[in-house]
Amino acid sequence: KNEVEQSPQNLTAQEGEFITINCSYSVGISALHWLQQHPGGGIVSLFMLSSGKKKHGRLIATINIQEKHSSLHITASHPRDSAVYICAVYPSGSQGNLIFGKGTKLSVKP
Amino acid sequence: KAGVTQTPRYLIKTRGQQVTLSCSPISGHRSVSWYQQTPGQGLQFLFEYFSETQRNKGNFPGRFSGRQFSNSRSEMNVSTLELGDSALYLCASSLATGGFYEQYFGPGTRLTVT
Repeated sequence: KNEVEQSPQNLTAQEGEFITINCSYSVGISALHWLQQHPGGGIVSLFMLSSGKKKHGRLIATINIQEKHSSLHITASHPRDSAVYICAVYPSGSQGNLIFGKGTKLSVKP
Repeated sequence: KAGVTQTPRYLIKTRGQQVTLSCSPISGHRSVSWYQQTPGQGLQFLFEYFSETQRNKGNFPGRFSGRQFSNSRSEMNVSTLELGDSALYLCASSLATGGFYEQYFGPGTRLTVT
């Protein structure tokens, strides 16, 4: 079983829809990251959070440390939001580094 | 401020050869992490360097190695290339080591081994 599980794996939405991507993890963490990867490979860090909720424009990320769960929401989705969204966690008390989910491929249709 | 740069962007090598990839972090960042991305395994952590010292290492064979220079630039080397080493190799820099520092990713080097 992967330490970081994302759902859904693939998601197709119509422009304007509200989108939710979920991430569950099984290890204790220092922080959780949401990343966006466009075709071509470039990765952009969207959020880094260790508690509560963060908002940036149309993007909202929440985390529940007790339940080991995080969600990424996109309000009023747009075709330019089409990308792969990756959840990654930084384990606490370890000498490791980021552990990644498999990603959620989002396609927003006009 | 300039972002993270990686060179080369694309590379084609033959099995058995070796390859060196370079990563220049954002100015002032002292930590550089390397990751491998393949369709089958997704993103996996290779190693992290901070202040010229390897801090952490992922579960990869000894053919994968790296180093960091005094200006924080980092290189990774893969010796005796195998077909399975074909992947996108990404580096990311952060101000310091640890999970509370945001990582900024470079564009990646796409390595194809034939």
